[in-house]
Amino acid sequence: EAQVTQNPRYLITVTGKKLTVTCSQNMNHEYMSWYRQDPGLGLRQIYYSMNVEVTDKGDVPEGYKVSRKEKRNFPLILESPSPNQTSLYFCASRTIAGEPYEQYFGPGTRLTVT
Amino acid sequence: AQSVAQPEDQVNVAEGNPLTVKCTYSVSGNPYLFWYVQYPNRGLQFLLKYITGDNLVKGSYGFEAEFNKSQTSFHLKKPSALVSDSALYFCAVRTPGGSQGNLIFGKGTKLSVKP
Repeated sequence: EAQVTQNPRYLITVTGKKLTVTCSQNMNHEYMSWYRQDPGLGLRQIYYSMNVEVTDKGDVPEGYKVSRKEKRNFPLILESPSPNQTSLYFCASRTIAGEPYEQYFGPGTRLTVT
Repeated sequence: AQSVAQPEDQVNVAEGNPLTVKCTYSVSGNPYLFWYVQYPNRGLQFLLKYITGDNLVKGSYGFEAEFNKSQTSFHLKKPSALVSDSALYFCAVRTPGGSQGNLIFGKGTKLSVKP
């Protein structure tokens, strides 16, 4: 089954404790992206990647890092989480061949930073 | 700069009645337009897209959307709403070409369908 998976689905942590949210897709997609969803603000893009070793900032990159060492994986790293990063996070992927195609989203990771 | 507006935070509809969820956009050039739906505790699911051609686009679950270039709108519609259509709906836009091709999302509209 074609899918985007994220882990963990739920995470409660404390300020300053480094964490990683994993994202993996099995569709051989070149493009991957991270979003955060906050009430009244919709989805805002954090980082995206056009292919392996190619990443770039989205609209709200502060406090986040990403890496793309393999095509299927695109982890989101919070090196020193703060309470304002409490949010619902989504990973997404799509092909860039024969544009334009829709994005496939993961199930989301609900992060709470206390 | 590209932007998407969903002017209604919430739309309430009775089951069996037609529904419309509004979306307007601002882009330079021809847009690619998308609608996604988010059910509670789930990720976003693709509903439909407009790329070019016929202004009326049909998608999943009986939804359709009409592209109106002069009004820069892409409203989502369904002739007869179901209670199971209750969800959060997002409109999104991107422009063709370029190296980024990132989606810009609206803030979402909560659709509530009552029996």
